[in-house]
Amino acid sequence: NAGVTQTPKFRVLKTGQSMTLLCAQDMNHEYMYWYRQDPGMGLRLIHYSVGEGTTAKGEVPDGYNVSRLKKQNFLLGLESAAPSQTSVYFCASSLGQGAFFGQGTRLTVV
Amino acid sequence: GENVEQHPSTLSVQEGDSAVIKCTYSDSASNYFPWYKQELGKRPQLIIDIRSNVGEKKDQRIAVTLNKTAKHFSLHITETQPEDSAVYFCAATQRRGSNYQLIWGAGTKLIIKP
Repeated sequence: NAGVTQTPKFRVLKTGQSMTLLCAQDMNHEYMYWYRQDPGMGLRLIHYSVGEGTTAKGEVPDGYNVSRLKKQNFLLGLESAAPSQTSVYFCASSLGQGAFFGQGTRLTVV
Repeated sequence: GENVEQHPSTLSVQEGDSAVIKCTYSDSASNYFPWYKQELGKRPQLIIDIRSNVGEKKDQRIAVTLNKTAKHFSLHITETQPEDSAVYFCAATQRRGSNYQLIWGAGTKLIIKP
């Protein structure tokens, strides 16, 4: 039982490049979330999903897209990376109350 | 919508003393209140939670209290140790129709002085 797993753990992108972050959970959770956390700051919700095939915008969705084609996976895409997207990205999953987090992806955009 | 305020933003206590972090929420429909601990460079991890039908919950040195009337809940850490140094986040979950929303506080950096 791995819990919530994020891939990759680290990535450096050049401005304008695209990439996809993968989140996988093996707890059969309905809810999945993508957060970003900037240095010394709290968690800001980017997008979330309340079930397979559904997605919704969070607090800071601009510049990101998501997909939830399978219940266990939640993908976060950056179509054209910008330096302002340099951050640590956390995926989380839950049954609705509380959340379990992945280990995070440290993304640097240069 | 729900809003969660967390205070203080930084708390420095002497090792062995107690620490208290407070959160207030705005929506009386919120019914579940978890607390997370995030150590430097690590992921947030659930340390304790409380539901709206309970006033207090303890787990060894940590406890959470909930005052539904005043709409605030607090994390209490007794006999603090160096490994308690971390950022602590509170959150409130409210149910909207068939879905839940998790609203986060801004976090408290707890520093344990030796």
